[in-house]
Order: sequence, then structure tokens, then C-alpha cells
Amino acid sequence: AQSVTQLDSQVPVFEEAPVELRCNYSSSVSVYLFWYVQYPNQGLQLLLKYLSGSTLVESINGFEAEFNKSQTSFHLRKPSVHISDTAEYFCAVSALNRDDKIIFGKGTRLHILP
Amino acid sequence: SQTIHQWPATLVQPVGSPLSLECTVEGTSNPNLYWYRQAAGRGLQLLFYSVGIGQISSEVPQNLSASRPQDRQFILSSKKLLLSDSGFYLCAWSRGSRMRAFFGQGTRLTVV
Repeated sequence: AQSVTQLDSQVPVFEEAPVELRCNYSSSVSVYLFWYVQYPNQGLQLLLKYLSGSTLVESINGFEAEFNKSQTSFHLRKPSVHISDTAEYFCAVSALNRDDKIIFGKGTRLHILP
Repeated sequence: SQTIHQWPATLVQPVGSPLSLECTVEGTSNPNLYWYRQAAGRGLQLLFYSVGIGQISSEVPQNLSASRPQDRQFILSSKKLLLSDSGFYLCAWSRGSRMRAFFGQGTRLTVV
């Protein structure tokens, strides 16, 4: 079975500073990895995903994540955050089986400080 | 285009009362369907998922059950609610494990 660990429940960071949200996964098989974002009072939206190929994946709003198989990690980074990035971020994993379930981490709440 | 409907948005129910939350998907066929519960500090906990009509996998032993009477309909139920059933329930669908999941807007359930 797969599992996801997000070590930080909350991350405060000043506006325009860089940020890294950590995600580690556990699985005995190859996996797909995702980051979802939940803005205040909204549902979840896909931010980016790793399926195969290049280990560095990017989103349209400046976030990127790097798949590191040896460290079983998929950390999310942004070089300069904005107040609009205030949200909760969820890392998720699923196995390479069409019918496998999607397992989410506990989430990391990103607080942008002015 | 595909859409997912989940209702009601909020619900206040007394302890011991039954529950029925409904989720329907439009614009796709044979989706994988999921029920998650979101609680502060616990993230998204997978409750049930379904890969087809009548096929339900339960992830966590609890006071809840799920059914999929039609291809694009997923229902979360309880015969007798407990206080601990309070939370934010999210329905989601995907075309498969490599595909993104689309979420409904959620139901805030308060058991009093």
C-alpha cells in the first residue's frame, strides 16, 4: 500500500521569499505523484503531477516539484511566493494501476507574511 | 465538459439520525469515484472508492457506508450518525490512477 507524509503542517514565509513544502512517499511499486492546492473556502485543484519522464515538473503559476526516487520525495518549491499563494497544499500518490486509489497527505498550510 | 455535483453544501444532523450525501458526475463514463473526509490536521482521509457499479472498497472501518447504484452516482450513508462523524466530506472522480482527480465543493456535516 502507498502512503504519503507531509512533515510540515504549517509553513510561514515572507512574501517574495522562496518556499519548499516537503512530501515523502512510501510504496512497493512505481507511483504517480501529485500536488493539489486548496484555496480558502474552495475545493481542491490539481497543481502539478509527475507521471513519467523528466523528474522536474512545473505548474503555470511558478511552482515546481522534483521527483527523487532514491529519496522517495516529491517536494514542492517556489522561488518567490505571493500573498495569493496562501492555501493548503496536499501531496498525493497513486500506484501504476488504473484502478488504484489516490492517497493524500495531511496537507501543509502555507501562510504568506506581508 | 465534465462536472461533479455534490450536495448538500452544509448539513446539521442530530446524533442517531441517518445520513445520505449524494455525488453525481456528468460528462464522462465509468469514472473512478471517491469519498474523502477532511479534518483539521488530518488532511484528506480516503473513506471509500469505487471503480465500477456496485464495486466499493472501504478504507477505514467506521460508521459510514457507500453505494454506487449507477455509473456516475456515488452515495455516502449512515444509519445512525455519531458526533465523531462531523467533518468536511469531499467527493471526487478520476479516469484512472494516473489522471487528475476532480473534486466536488464538499459537504460540511455537523452532528449535534
